[in-house]
Amino acid sequence: GENVEQHPSTLSVQEGDSAVIKCTYSDSASNYFPWYKQELGKRPQLIIDIRSNVGEKKDQRIAVTLNKTAKHFSLHITETQPEDSAVYFCAASWRSQGNLIFGKGTKLSVKP
Amino acid sequence: NAGVTQTPKFQVLKTGQSMTLQCAQDMNHNSMYWYRQDPGMGLRLIYYSASEGTTDKGEVPNGYNVSRLNKREFSLRLESAAPSQTSVYFCASSEGPGELFFGEGSRLTVL
Repeated sequence: GENVEQHPSTLSVQEGDSAVIKCTYSDSASNYFPWYKQELGKRPQLIIDIRSNVGEKKDQRIAVTLNKTAKHFSLHITETQPEDSAVYFCAASWRSQGNLIFGKGTKLSVKP
Repeated sequence: NAGVTQTPKFQVLKTGQSMTLQCAQDMNHNSMYWYRQDPGMGLRLIYYSASEGTTDKGEVPNGYNVSRLNKREFSLRLESAAPSQTSVYFCASSEGPGELFFGEGSRLTVL
């Protein structure tokens, strides 16, 4: 089955710096790669996603890159702010119905 | 719109007791899912239902059963709860391969 590895597990940055979180996946048939943000005690919410026919996607301060050959994708957050502090999860699609297999998460702390 | 609604939000069980987590969505989505979240383990797929009338196992199905009652509702049952099933359970729905919409979560403790 699909396996998604996510690194690092914790990340601490100064406000205004950039943060990068990396994920690798095992199933070459995966074609959908979303990123979710989960604040403490809340439900996960989608922040950005990318499909396999695209190499990069941006939404304001957030960008995701995908390298299908190497089976890895990354989340980039620029000009970090304290409200970016949360746990971020990457995921990759598994089977055809849209099931998502998640990485174990990265706890991002942005220090003012 | 309420989105995805889960009940109960909190539950404490004794080992061996049974219970059902209820989930309903009002977005007319075909696909529904049950995940569990444990510290340091991310979200792990228990069961999913690609469409009304179908269910299938995910990554960690042992000890659970599910029922897709209709297009709106997808329940998760623990027949004989074990301490290893202490977790936060999330129900989610989607329209095929795309964004998952999660419920608020159900925190289950098994003593």
